[in-house]
Amino acid sequence: GNSVTQMEGPVTLSEEAFLTINCTYTATGYPSLFWYVQYPGEGLQLLLKATKADDKGSNKGFEATYRKETTSFHLEKGSVQVSDSAVYFCALSDASGSSNTGKLIFGQGTTLQVKP
Amino acid sequence: GAVVSQHPSRVICKSGTSVKIECRSLDFQATTMFWYRQFPKQSLMLMATSNEGSKATYEQGVEKDKFLINHASLTLSTLTVTSAHPEDSSFYICSAKRTGEDQPQHFGDGTRLSIL
Repeated sequence: GNSVTQMEGPVTLSEEAFLTINCTYTATGYPSLFWYVQYPGEGLQLLLKATKADDKGSNKGFEATYRKETTSFHLEKGSVQVSDSAVYFCALSDASGSSNTGKLIFGQGTTLQVKP
Repeated sequence: GAVVSQHPSRVICKSGTSVKIECRSLDFQATTMFWYRQFPKQSLMLMATSNEGSKATYEQGVEKDKFLINHASLTLSTLTVTSAHPEDSSFYICSAKRTGEDQPQHFGDGTRLSIL
């Protein structure tokens, strides 16, 4: 079945450091890929998405490229801020192809802690 | 745009009580809404898919009679936890999806349910 695997956290960085959070997936067909962010005590916010191979999603300085050859969607940011501290979830949707449930399958989440 | 409101944000009640959680899409019509459960420091577990005007589709292992879902309009879905017990204590999150493929899910801020 479809699945998403993220690097284990927590990831602790100093302000202005470079961030990479790895995400790989297993899927049949051509899923859409997403990164969501969850701040403490809140629901999830869509950070960025990509719907086909080689697409690059970007938002608020974060970016991720849909790599079909490596089945990856790694999240990157060139210079993190304290306010980026949150839990980041990689997810895929099986809305593409013959299966159109729109369900999201989430990775386990990666906690990012940015220190001043 | 794409705001999803979830209410209440926090509920504390006695064992045996039934609790209703509302999920509203405020500025768009959502044919499909999803209900998730999140345990501390874990990922989101999809409980059920709620489709307007039809019965919800429950994931394997989720008790239909325990978690009642109603999706009476294109902007409102409700989850009722019937005869709640301490093991039902969790963070419940809803999401809503616009009609159409490749539309992302937009999440509510979640409901913290604590059963004493």
